[in-house]
Amino acid sequence: KNQVEQSPQSLIILEGKNCTLQCNYTVSPFSNLRWYKQDTGRGPVSLTIMTFSENTKSNGRYTATLDADTKQSSLHITASQLSDSASYICVVSDEGSQGNLIFGKGTKLSVKP
Amino acid sequence: DAGVIQSPRHEVTEMGQEVTLRCKPISGHNSLFWYRQTMMRGLELLIYFNNNVPIDDSGMPEDRFSAKMPNASFSTLKIQPSEPRDSAVYFCASSLFTGGMNTEAFFGQGTRLTVV
Repeated sequence: KNQVEQSPQSLIILEGKNCTLQCNYTVSPFSNLRWYKQDTGRGPVSLTIMTFSENTKSNGRYTATLDADTKQSSLHITASQLSDSASYICVVSDEGSQGNLIFGKGTKLSVKP
Repeated sequence: DAGVIQSPRHEVTEMGQEVTLRCKPISGHNSLFWYRQTMMRGLELLIYFNNNVPIDDSGMPEDRFSAKMPNASFSTLKIQPSEPRDSAVYFCASSLFTGGMNTEAFFGQGTRLTVV
């Protein structure tokens, strides 16, 4: 069964610190992996998209990595800000279903001053 | 473009009533997704349209749920009759399916449904 598992479920860090969120998936065939940020009360917004051949992609202070062999991805946030407080959702596209998106349950990040 | 537009933003209804959620995807996008989000289960795909045709509706929980996409610029998700366990935030998203994959999916602001 195609699944996306994220860890930790929640995380609290101090402003200015770095953190890394993890994503493991069992989706096959694999098309691409995305990280989304969802602020409370709003829809998810895309941060990065990586295909099979890409193993790292940055978007400002966000850096995503992908290891397609071990089916693992991480999202690293550098020098965290209060505005980074949100849920971060890992999404894997199932090529076999014409691009169906399979969502993880997300990691809820709280950045404290 | 104003992005994906959903209406209403909030809906409170009594159990047994019919509820209709609406979505206008981004112009030019040919894929449309309906999702339901709860604290317990996270984001769950309900149904996925490509070129107005339902491709995958395996996530629709039961016959009380139905979705239509009469044209490329409008979709509805209907629940009839509604039940308290349907209370959730319902998101619509659209993307462009090209080259064998969906590009970035853009989400609407969601409709928060409360069934009392």
